[in-house]
This record gives sequence, C-alpha cells and structure tokens, in this order.
Amino acid sequence: NAGVTQTPKFQVLKTGQSMTLQCAQDMNHNSMYWYRQDPGMGLRLIYYSASEGTTDKGEVPNGYNVSRLNKREFSLRLESAAPSQTSVYFCASGSGTGLYNEQFFGPGTRLTVL
Amino acid sequence: EDKVVQSPLSLVVHEGDTVTLNCSYEVTNFRSLLWYKQEKKAPTFLFMLTSSGIEKKSGRLSSILDKKELFSILNITATQTGDSAVYLCAGPSNSGGSNYKLTFGKGTLLTVNP
Repeated sequence: NAGVTQTPKFQVLKTGQSMTLQCAQDMNHNSMYWYRQDPGMGLRLIYYSASEGTTDKGEVPNGYNVSRLNKREFSLRLESAAPSQTSVYFCASGSGTGLYNEQFFGPGTRLTVL
Repeated sequence: EDKVVQSPLSLVVHEGDTVTLNCSYEVTNFRSLLWYKQEKKAPTFLFMLTSSGIEKKSGRLSSILDKKELFSILNITATQTGDSAVYLCAGPSNSGGSNYKLTFGKGTLLTVNP
C-alpha cells in the first residue's frame, strides 16, 4: 500500500499561471483533505471532502477549487496563482466516521509562486 | 470558532531530559484529540485521546486528556535527538454527525541536543 500520494513534489509558477495538485489514496477512506502549511501559521484546512461526490470549504478556500474525482482521488486547482499561495500543500485522508478521525498525510508539495 | 492552543511554541532540551508539551482546546462537540509528530515532511500520527484520565503510551511517549479542563499533555521521557520535531495537537470538529475536519494548533518545536 502506498498510502497517500501527491504529485508533483515541487513546483514553481509565475503569478497568474494555473496548475492542479493531484492526490490519491489507496486506503479506501471516505474523507480527503487539502491543507497548506506556512511558517508561524501551522496547518490550515483549504477544502475537504467528507465522501465521494461532496466537497466543502475549510478555513482558507479563496483562490482554490477542488474536485473529488472518485473515492481515491482529490485534486486541488489554483486557477490564477498568486505569491501569497507560496506554501507547502498537504493532502490527507481519513476514515471520517464516528470518533476515529486519524488522518494520514501525503508527503507534501512545495509550491513557489514568483 | 474552534481553537487549539499549544505551549510552549519551542523548547530546547538535552538528551535524557523529560519534556511536557501542552495543548488546550475549544472545539465544537468534542469527540477526540489527536497528537502528531512532524519531522521534515508530513505529520505522522501519535495518539488519539477520547476519554479523560486514561493515559495512552507508546514507548517513551505518553499522553493524557482532561476533558473537564479542555487540556491535554504529551510527555516524552529520556529524550533522544531523534525526538527533535514539531509536535502538533489537533481537535476534530463535528459537522452533521461525523468528524470531518481537524483544527490544528501551531505546534511545539522540540529540539533535543546531544
């Protein structure tokens, strides 16, 4: 089992460019999440998907869109990248039911917007 | 608004010392509190706590929850340089009956010197 995989690992964009970050999990989890992590700010939730076919905004959704393509895959799109979106992005998945909300994280994507 | 506050923000100790990391929380419809360790890459799960006063233990790490005081501590005994990391505390938020979100604290940066 690969767990949670993310692509790409690194990306440099120019302001205004668009890109999609890909995430896949092979643990048959219902819920998937996108976080960004910035120095001094901790992990902040961008969007989440409680189950296939649903998505909801997290704490910092502006400038992002998501697609829950199927149960395994959850992508994050930046339509017009801005320098403020320079960050490390983590995808995570969890069983998302009842008391058990342990989340498993992917290795992260380091994004720089110039 | 859900809130998770960790203290101290950073801590430097010598190998062999014992450390206590703190986490206070205010989350909607509390169900569980989670601890993660983050080294250079993605957070990895340590403990999930759901009941007051019951200690969870894994090797030299242990954690306990006080639901009345909305507080948790993570203890590390006989610290080693490999314990150097950021330790994150997180509280799931309840929306519609299941735990779909995690609110993270900003973390405690632990540095263990030889």
